[in-house]
Amino acid sequence: GAVVSQHPSWVICKSGTSVKIECRSLDFQATTMFWYRQFPKQSLMLMATSNEGSKATYEQGVEKDKFLINHASLTLSTLTVTSAHPEDSSFYICSALTRGGNYGYTFGSGTRLTVV
Amino acid sequence: GQQVMQIPQYQHVQEGEDFTTYCNSSTTLSNIQWYKQRPGGHPVFLIQLVKSGEVKKQKRLTFQFGEAKKNSSLHITATQTTDVGTYFCAGRLRSQGNLIFGKGTKLSVKP
Repeated sequence: GAVVSQHPSWVICKSGTSVKIECRSLDFQATTMFWYRQFPKQSLMLMATSNEGSKATYEQGVEKDKFLINHASLTLSTLTVTSAHPEDSSFYICSALTRGGNYGYTFGSGTRLTVV
Repeated sequence: GQQVMQIPQYQHVQEGEDFTTYCNSSTTLSNIQWYKQRPGGHPVFLIQLVKSGEVKKQKRLTFQFGEAKKNSSLHITATQTTDVGTYFCAGRLRSQGNLIFGKGTKLSVKP
């Protein structure tokens, strides 16, 4: 089946530094990828929609200059958390829509970011 | 903004008991999807419902989409410890629109 590879799985960084998270679709082309944030014991919150070859679409309240998204190819989308602060600590997950009979979304394994 | 409400937030059952989680939307949905997230894991797609009144089954799991396409339910018969996790519904207003996730129902099963 369709696989979305996300890494790193976890990262600890210092306040003020930047962290890049990568998501790759391994066996299919993903023209659109979605980036979510999940706080402990809470639901998935859509941050932005990443479109190959064009600018990402950000949800209301998400700072585009802080959460930089790049979708340079049909198989790779990246999220860079710039000048990270402790409140950015969270679980970040990407997903891509997989074509086929079920039209479900395939999620990456997620990245747990801790900013100290 | 548009919300998909999901209840209950938590459910603790004895192994063998049934379990149901419900989702409600204030507006008509184009379709609804269900996901399962194991502890420490990522959401895994279970199923999509599109038609009004649709009922689909996957072994012990039964999924329903309401006649008005505003509500949905997931029912698990005779729960097992492997059913543990958080079940999310996610609705779409338009056929290709973004998914709006419910807050999930965390299921724990006591052996």
